[in-house]
Amino acid sequence: RKEVEQDPGPFNVPEGATVAFNCTYSNSASQSFFWYRQDCRKEPKLLMSVYSSGNEDGRFTAQLNRASQYISLLIRDSKLSDSATYLCVVRNTDKLIFGTGTRLQVFP
Amino acid sequence: EPEVTQTPSHQVTQMGQEVILRCVPISNHLYFYWYRQILGQKVEFLVSFYNNEISEKSEIFDDQFSVERPDGSNFTLKIRSTKLEDSAMYFCASKKRDPPLSGNTIYFGEGSWLTVV
Repeated sequence: RKEVEQDPGPFNVPEGATVAFNCTYSNSASQSFFWYRQDCRKEPKLLMSVYSSGNEDGRFTAQLNRASQYISLLIRDSKLSDSATYLCVVRNTDKLIFGTGTRLQVFP
Repeated sequence: EPEVTQTPSHQVTQMGQEVILRCVPISNHLYFYWYRQILGQKVEFLVSFYNNEISEKSEIFDDQFSVERPDGSNFTLKIRSTKLEDSAMYFCASKKRDPPLSGNTIYFGEGSWLTVV
């Protein structure tokens, strides 16, 4: 089983749509959880940390379910500039474990 | 905003040659990392470095790889004898502190794209 598993997509959505990404992780001892964004051939950039209580940053909402080892990201009111690959990431000891990413394409 | 800088941005090298990738982490950061991403694949951890020694390394980080912090600012990744499968984007990263302290966000450099021919 992959350490971090994501649907690769692509998700093609119109501007203004709401889109949700899911992720599962295999190591129950994972300590921290994140969503990163990666544009083509660029470095990963932290979008937001994910907490068990759920957290929101503008149009982005992240949820963590430790019992199910499941992480989600909801993007509301999609913009063209949201087009990117969204990486689900967990921290084990001092290393980040990345999923393969979910590709989002927002069209006009 | 302070950033992690990497050089070169792109290097082409012949199989069997040695390569050194350079990184300047953010100046007050104490923890340093190398990750790599083969084209079309996920980002993979290579090595972490703290207090002038390797704190953790992955199976990928074999004897062909080494890291060094030769002075107070640079952090280098050396690949001794490159193979075709070493072709990838190599990301340097750094952070200030360990969780749960604040300042534990890991910042990535823009990457060095290595092509082995």
